[in-house]
Amino acid sequence: EVQLEESGGGLVQPGGFLRLSCAVSGFTVTNNFMNWVRQTPGGGLEWLSIIYSDGRTFYADSVKGRFTISRDASRNTLYLQMNSLRPEDTAVYFCARARGGNAAHKTVSESWGQGTLVTVSS
Amino acid sequence: AIQLTQSPSSLSASVGDRVTITCRASQDISNALAWYQQKPGKPPNLLIYDASTLQGGVPSRFSGSGSGTYFTLTISSLQPEDPATYYCQHFNSYPHTFGQGTRLEIK
Repeated sequence: EVQLEESGGGLVQPGGFLRLSCAVSGFTVTNNFMNWVRQTPGGGLEWLSIIYSDGRTFYADSVKGRFTISRDASRNTLYLQMNSLRPEDTAVYFCARARGGNAAHKTVSESWGQGTLVTVSS
Repeated sequence: AIQLTQSPSSLSASVGDRVTITCRASQDISNALAWYQQKPGKPPNLLIYDASTLQGGVPSRFSGSGSGTYFTLTISSLQPEDPATYYCQHFNSYPHTFGQGTRLEIK
């Protein structure tokens, strides 16, 4: 069974940093396309980043240069390092496994974790 | 970045009604569109990808259509378990933006 579990959220001051983890089971994180998506308190969804099975990464402009997606094969875990945090980064952060394969829809999020809340406030 | 605009932002319908939600893209995205359903306190659930392909396990009352810049999600006969917020998302290029969501309620 495919499972994803985020952790690492919490309260952080503006300018601070956090590292989110997404522990997965039922599949191998390094063999899959993996996304990070966040949901703001207002309810909107924002795609943040993706890491391909070959290691390529892409980011939303709002987090480029501040956030870094990575993975650890030995721990079968996906990460999101978040630096220079801002109040507008306050959100629930989801990791998601993408469909994979060779077609364009390989990057579509198919399986999701339950999310972890990040609050950026002084 | 490509913008997605959903309409309506909210709607109320009765059980058994046919419901249609639209999603317009700011530029041609071919059929690179997905639809998600999200219930309170839960992550999004993939319903449709490639604009019209039903994800496994999704009831057949859900269907998607469209290409280019205009897309629709249709529920052929609204069921009591369908109230949720529905989002479209494109995957034509990065960033993979989402629409702002459509909140569906039962009358």
